[in-house]
Amino acid sequence: ETGVTQTPRHLVMGMTNKKSLKCEQHLGHNAMYWYKQSAKKPLELMFVYNFKEQTENNSVPSRFSPECPNSSHLFLHLHTLQPEDSALYLCASSPIRVGVAGEVNEQFFGPGTRLTVL
Amino acid sequence: ILNVEQSPQSLHVQEGDSTNFTCSFPSSNFYALHWYRWETAKSPEALFVMTLNGDEKKKGRISATLNTKEGYSYLYIKGSQPEDSATYLCAFHGNTGKLIFGQGTTLQVKP
Repeated sequence: ETGVTQTPRHLVMGMTNKKSLKCEQHLGHNAMYWYKQSAKKPLELMFVYNFKEQTENNSVPSRFSPECPNSSHLFLHLHTLQPEDSALYLCASSPIRVGVAGEVNEQFFGPGTRLTVL
Repeated sequence: ILNVEQSPQSLHVQEGDSTNFTCSFPSSNFYALHWYRWETAKSPEALFVMTLNGDEKKKGRISATLNTKEGYSYLYIKGSQPEDSATYLCAFHGNTGKLIFGQGTTLQVKP
């Protein structure tokens, strides 16, 4: 166990649905991340939060809306998604945002949510 | 565009074989190179974070080397076991502050 949990593990939704993915970390970390892995592609960074502030939005469409109410929880709100958004969505955390003041600390990942958009 | 390449994409070996795979990354603006092990339906798990040219790290039967000047890292597994079956990811940490991941090498170890 990495100390990072994600719910749900699997989600099927229609294009008009609204749903949310949840991530929780029990490690006392201050940075949290959303990644996307599409079929046969590398992990792709979507969003970064450092001390609850969004510090990175990697040109993600507005139908994905992140929320970080505190350093332990991260949400990804989904609205009017497309079938091509079907992918594995992974959450990660680290003590501080990778790259801040040269920090190279490792990221701890959750098991992911497998999302299918019909 | 920063590119991180891993080879081979997949590998099938017999139990007891030793194996190695490669991660290629940009040789400029280097901060660190991360290796992760990812079993199916589980979380990616950090193996190593390597920062210095010539670095060599070891965890049990798994070891890794780093050459930042030419931009490559090797991961070695000695005496592969079925439980080593997983996808091995490397990630380049440069001056953008982001981790850029390779596509991974999927290892299958047959008993």
